Amino acid sequence: GAVVSQHPSWVICKSGTSVKIECRSLDFQATTMFWYRQFPKQSLMLMATSNEGSKATYEQGVEKDKFLINHASLTLSTLTVTSAHPEDSSFYICSARLAGGRYTEAFFGQGTRLTVV
Amino acid sequence: AQSVSQHNHHVILSEAASLELGCNYSYGGTVNLFWYVQYPGQHLQLLLKYFSGDPLVKGIKGFEAEFIKSKFSFNLRKPSVQWSDTAEYFCAVNAATSGSRLTFGEGTQLTVNP
Repeated sequence: GAVVSQHPSWVICKSGTSVKIECRSLDFQATTMFWYRQFPKQSLMLMATSNEGSKATYEQGVEKDKFLINHASLTLSTLTVTSAHPEDSSFYICSARLAGGRYTEAFFGQGTRLTVV
Repeated sequence: AQSVSQHNHHVILSEAASLELGCNYSYGGTVNLFWYVQYPGQHLQLLLKYFSGDPLVKGIKGFEAEFIKSKFSFNLRKPSVQWSDTAEYFCAVNAATSGSRLTFGEGTQLTVNP
């Protein structure tokens, strides 16, 4: 299957700083990428849908000024957690969907563990 | 909006036992259905998917799932589990009107004892 790579796999940052997470589709072009957040023992919660070349669509309750998403190319989307606080500590997962008209399978990155201290 | 419910949060089985994990969704229209598996320390992997056609779909590693439209269910089954099947399993739904969005169930942790 297609490969989606996230970087970094884990990061520890100080409260008040910003952290950027990259999501790359390595062997395919992805017009749409998704960012999820997963709390321990819970399911994946969709944060936003990112379309190449346009603004991201955020789910209700997700602060777009706090979670900045950029999808500048067909193979790269970034999530920046701005002014991070301990409550932002979580597991962030991206997925990328193959370019195509009808629904196509989404492939997932390995996730990024963010710890804010 | 659609929602997905997985009945069992933690299932413990012995090797060679049969497995059935429940998944129900709430949405009246056309759906695409998925089961994903997350092995410890690894990313989500697709086990199987249903778009249309035969409601009994077979996936990787001996897993299968049956779509029962009248029951809004998509249960995952495996006749004989192995220790290596220990993982978290997620059911997910894509509603035709929601574009590319996937809605995930709460997940079921499967522990298979040798």
